Amino acid sequence: DVKVTQSSRYLVKRTGEKVFLECVQDMDHENMFWYRQDPGLGLRLIYFSYDVKMKEKGDIPEGYSVSREKKERFSLILESASTNQTSMYLCASRPNSGEATEAFFGQGTRLTVV
Amino acid sequence: GDSVTQMEGPVTLSEEAFLTINCTYTATGYPSLFWYVQYPGEGLQLLLKATKADDKGSNKGFEATYRKETTSFHLEKGSVQVSDSAVYFCARTNDYKLSFGAGTTVTVRA
Repeated sequence: DVKVTQSSRYLVKRTGEKVFLECVQDMDHENMFWYRQDPGLGLRLIYFSYDVKMKEKGDIPEGYSVSREKKERFSLILESASTNQTSMYLCASRPNSGEATEAFFGQGTRLTVV
Repeated sequence: GDSVTQMEGPVTLSEEAFLTINCTYTATGYPSLFWYVQYPGEGLQLLLKATKADDKGSNKGFEATYRKETTSFHLEKGSVQVSDSAVYFCARTNDYKLSFGAGTTVTVRA
């Protein structure tokens, strides 16, 4: 079974802190994604990566950056956390074999910024 | 841009009722269409998909048909159970990316 693992289920951070959210997948997928999930807004794409060291901005990249040094790992970085970044963060991976392929999701990290 | 519009919730039903969740998509390119489900406390998982016009995806009693003429992919189930209580997301592909709708929360009462 494909497994996408996010390093933390719950995090509480202070305003202004630098925050790292880690995601690892074990199926050699080329594509990895970071979404945030907010009530009434669904899933909004923050960043995605289609290869090692490659990244592209999604729909809401402001205040975030990402790192993909190895194929299996995709990190989301909040450079200076703010209260409006309190949210559920979901990581996903997807193989690069056509538009019909399924995305696999991690369990999510619920981040609270105080 | 490419987007998905989903019926707003929440939806509350009794067991054995018929469920429909409407979904429409922007008609750019030739997307694949998906329904994902998120059960309480869990991550998203694929429920069903369709890759071209007139395809029907089905799983766990749920069905959805890819309608190019109406740019729709409505989710239906004929007789829901309490265990179907979840958040349902419609999604479409756009090259590498998946774009999601806002999600519809469904609660089924015994």
